[in-house]
Amino acid sequence: DIQITQSPASLSASLGETVSIECLASEGISTDLAWYQQKSGKSPQLLIYSASSLQDGVPSRFSGSGSGTRYSLKISGMQPEDEGDYFCQQSYKYPLTFGSGTKLELK
Amino acid sequence: EVQLVESGKGLVQPGRSLKLSCAASGFTFSNSYMAWVRQAPKKGLEWVATISTSGLTTYYPDSLRGRFIISRDNAESSLYLQMSSLKAEDTATYYCVRHGLRINFDYWGQGVMVTVSS
Repeated sequence: DIQITQSPASLSASLGETVSIECLASEGISTDLAWYQQKSGKSPQLLIYSASSLQDGVPSRFSGSGSGTRYSLKISGMQPEDEGDYFCQQSYKYPLTFGSGTKLELK
Repeated sequence: EVQLVESGKGLVQPGRSLKLSCAASGFTFSNSYMAWVRQAPKKGLEWVATISTSGLTTYYPDSLRGRFIISRDNAESSLYLQMSSLKAEDTATYYCVRHGLRINFDYWGQGVMVTVSS
């Protein structure tokens, strides 16, 4: 199985600050990585797929990058509505696996 | 508008079975791979099962294969998850999800809570 190590587990950012979250796969996953946002009490929502493609309707301050085993999600200018949990997920092969999540709070 | 509505929540005793349902609308259900993803309380996300468009091919993590069965009825635009020999560690919110083109999860239901406890 492909293991996904996500970091940090939590972080706090000020309004307008740029934030980065990373995921490290245990083997190369050929940019088959997605990012999800989950707000408190809500279902997860797809933000980024194929490592860097923005899902329809997602604000452009969200961006993804990476290749091979290392991937990152960047939020360029933290907004209050960006608070929540963020998860990465590899879709390279079954079994599909998720990172352990990052809790993002507004400072 | 894509809608995925789960049902079948409840409290079930360890060792018993439970079947979850998901009613889909707003897209051509028969053209989409579908899946279940779960989330234990205050925990992360765990993929549970995936089913192909025809229903002929299914995928499970080794840890759940044999106890959980995913199925679908394309005529009814419905997805199902039959869970058996339930354990306390199966306690979670179960989400019905649609697979996107790259085997990610592009639409999620609101989730249904399953509690396994005596």
